[in-house]
Amino acid sequence: AQTVTQSQPEMSVQEAETVTLSCTYDTSESDYYLFWYKQPPSRQMILVIRQEAYKQQNATENRFSVNFQKAAKSFSLKISDSQLGDAAMYFCAYINGGAQKLVFGQGTRLTINP
Amino acid sequence: GAVVSQHPSWVICKSGTSVKIECRSLDFQATTMFWYRQFPKQSLMLMATSNEGSKATYEQGVEKDKFLINHASLTLSTLTVTSAHPEDSSFYICSAESIYRGISLYEQYFGPGTRLTVT
Repeated sequence: AQTVTQSQPEMSVQEAETVTLSCTYDTSESDYYLFWYKQPPSRQMILVIRQEAYKQQNATENRFSVNFQKAAKSFSLKISDSQLGDAAMYFCAYINGGAQKLVFGQGTRLTINP
Repeated sequence: GAVVSQHPSWVICKSGTSVKIECRSLDFQATTMFWYRQFPKQSLMLMATSNEGSKATYEQGVEKDKFLINHASLTLSTLTVTSAHPEDSSFYICSAESIYRGISLYEQYFGPGTRLTVT
């Protein structure tokens, strides 16, 4: 079974600085997709960024970018110019191509210090 | 686009009663909807997967007779917690996968969640 591991339960960063959240996953599949979701205090899950395994280029969405290391099965999220609104739980998630179920990591709570 | 609503957002019920939670995809049709449970400061735990017009598939350890799921249309799924007990108190989140995948392949769109408190 696939597993997703987020080894940092909590992280904090100064406003305007850059922070990287770690995620590793375990799979024997070649066709899969990876996601980072944000869950702010409202608890509404928001998709931050997605990465298709077949794409070599790292995904970017404005201040958010990923470092996708397929061989190492690593999928880290970099947040640049951190803002107070970035404070949230961040979940890394994995899904097999053709499957239905998302596999979530344990989450990382990100605090932004003003 | 891709908005999912849940109703109610918060419900308090007495032990032994049943409560129904609705999940609607407002601007798209969903072939598949998912129900999750989330305990404080923990990750999402998938309870069941429901496909429109067929029986839900429950995860191991989830009591199908206690958590009844109905996916009657491409825009509505309901979760009924039967004979609720205090240990069923939790945050329940639904998500939906669009029938029109396109570039959003495998993306799930999440509802805002329902906080259930059983007294």
